[in-house]
Amino acid sequence: NAGVMQNPRHLVRRRGQEARLRCSPMKGHSHVYWYRQLPEEGLKFMVYLQKENIIDESGMPKERFSAEFPKEGPSILRIQQVVRGDSAAYFCASSGTADQPQHFGDGTRLSIL
Amino acid sequence: AQSVSQHNHHVILSEAASLELGCNYSYGGTVNLFWYVQYPGQHLQLLLKYFSGDPLVKGIKGFEAEFIKSKFSFNLRKPSVQWSDTAEYFCAADSGAGSYQLTFGKGTKLSVIP
Repeated sequence: NAGVMQNPRHLVRRRGQEARLRCSPMKGHSHVYWYRQLPEEGLKFMVYLQKENIIDESGMPKERFSAEFPKEGPSILRIQQVVRGDSAAYFCASSGTADQPQHFGDGTRLSIL
Repeated sequence: AQSVSQHNHHVILSEAASLELGCNYSYGGTVNLFWYVQYPGQHLQLLLKYFSGDPLVKGIKGFEAEFIKSKFSFNLRKPSVQWSDTAEYFCAADSGAGSYQLTFGKGTKLSVIP
């Protein structure tokens, strides 16, 4: 399957732990976007990355959240010291260029105990 | 700031009924518009998109949407729904060429009763 791959599908963490969410873009895509969907809400933009560069992180919370897209390997969304309010579905999307439609992964559902 | 509103939270229809899901956006400039569908347990899939040109856009699976600039609307339609159309539908917008930040509505759950 050459689609956007996210793992894990479900992630359970206790308060204070770290959560790492991974995203491998579609083959040939170098633009990656992360979105968060809180319960009963639409998806909200978090960050836009290209290889080794953060282009726009205007939707990222100022603390505890970080993202990277290294030269090799998947994009990682990292949440440190998780709190209950971080429980959400996190979706990754990719595109070939910034102008092309974004293709989404299955999402990672993060639950905080 | 740009926003996207979807009027219905949950729509229940019988098979063969016609469907119209409302979507309004608030942005005065150039805009690209999208409808995505999320089937149960699956990822978001692009149904159709409007960038420019003919305001009546045809998508996959018999769906279409009409861009009405004067009403800031981009409603999704299908003449006859099937049970397999049961899913959640999201309207989204970005602010035109070179833009990448999608703004999504809250989604509309469609349940089709056989």
